[in-house]
Amino acid sequence: KAGVTQTPRYLIKTRGQQVTLSCSPISGHRSVSWYQQTPGQGLQFLFEYFSETQRNKGNFPGRFSGRQFSNSRSEMNVSTLELGDSALYLCASSQGQGPLWYFGPGTRLTVT
Amino acid sequence: GIQVEQSPPDLILQEGANSTLRCNFSDSVNNLQWFHQNPWGQLINLFYIPSGTKQNGRLSATTVATERYSLLYISSSQTTDSGVYFCAVDLSGGGADGLTFGKGTHLIIQP
Repeated sequence: KAGVTQTPRYLIKTRGQQVTLSCSPISGHRSVSWYQQTPGQGLQFLFEYFSETQRNKGNFPGRFSGRQFSNSRSEMNVSTLELGDSALYLCASSQGQGPLWYFGPGTRLTVT
Repeated sequence: GIQVEQSPPDLILQEGANSTLRCNFSDSVNNLQWFHQNPWGQLINLFYIPSGTKQNGRLSATTVATERYSLLYISSSQTTDSGVYFCAVDLSGGGADGLTFGKGTHLIIQP
């Protein structure tokens, strides 16, 4: 069974632009969660979706948003990019509502 | 929120050595996972271990939920074991709250 996939793998954007990242969960998995990893803050929870519904969101500004489609694929969007948004963005999927999460390879975003 | 502390933050060992990584958490949890982050950034599942002991080859893990800590043991280390090891917990176990990660242990295995 294929693992979690994320596209694109690398991205360079300019301050003020917006970006959309995509995540395809493991087949049959209905939950998707997103995390931001930076050297200073470590791994931080962004949001979690189950059956197209956002159930929870971490402590991030409204510039960070996401959605989940009926096929469980998920996208996250960051608007008005700031230098501090440079990070590795990781997506994870779970079969049901937890507890075992499997992570994708990540998208490395650089904001210049 | 729940606090997760990992120790040591850094560990340098020679190939063949054994190591113990520790994870302390501040509240009762329903989910605890250990991950290995490879040099390309992907988090690889090692163990799902909210309580008890599990073994997988040279790796084993023990979680003592009543005392709020978990240990990851690596025996006969190989250079491919290098990387960052994370402990992550979930209070509810239902997934909606996301995982809370520790800051990780950076392990370097020298040949």
